[in-house]
Amino acid sequence: ETGVTQSPTHLIKTRGQQVTLRCSSQSGHNTVSWYQQALGQGPQFIFQYYREEENGRGNFPPRFSGLQFPNYSSELNVNALELDDSALYLCASSSAEGSTDTQYFGPGTRLTVL
Amino acid sequence: GDSVTQMEGPVTLSEEAFLTINCTYTATGYPSLFWYVQYPGEGLQLLLKATKADDKGSNKGFEATYRKETTSFHLEKGSVQVSDSAVYFCALTSLSGTYKYIFGTGTRLKVLA
Repeated sequence: ETGVTQSPTHLIKTRGQQVTLRCSSQSGHNTVSWYQQALGQGPQFIFQYYREEENGRGNFPPRFSGLQFPNYSSELNVNALELDDSALYLCASSSAEGSTDTQYFGPGTRLTVL
Repeated sequence: GDSVTQMEGPVTLSEEAFLTINCTYTATGYPSLFWYVQYPGEGLQLLLKATKADDKGSNKGFEATYRKETTSFHLEKGSVQVSDSAVYFCALTSLSGTYKYIFGTGTRLKVLA
């Protein structure tokens, strides 16, 4: 069974640029959630996708957007990057929406905005 | 809204010492509770979970009991090893609105040989 994978591992961008992060969910999982983890903090929920539809959103501006594909993989897009967007971005997959099913996390993408 | 409060770190212990990391929560209803561990440079790994009151989650010598009356889920281990050095996150599933995790700020554990 393949776990959650994310790409790239590291990324350096400059302020104002756009970035796309990718996530492949664990086999059999149809729900993907994205989290932002700033240095020294706990992860903060960005949004969740279930069967290609956004299923809820945290307190993040619209320049954070996403997609989920028919194979349940997902992208996180961030436009007009700001310095505060520097963080570890974590993707998590689970097998059901609206349940207490466990989320399984990928290794994360470390984004640095200069 | 829902929230998780963890004891501040870092926690520094000698090998074979007893570990307790406190976690309390505020939530609507009866959320599931989790402990995740993050090793340097890595993502989050599920350590243990409990889905209802009085449940005890356990894994790799770590234990935590879901205490509804005190809204707590403290992590314990009887004898820590150097390899347990990591950051530990307490989390709950929010039942209000979208199903998502609410995390605490994490507690860094350092175990000395």
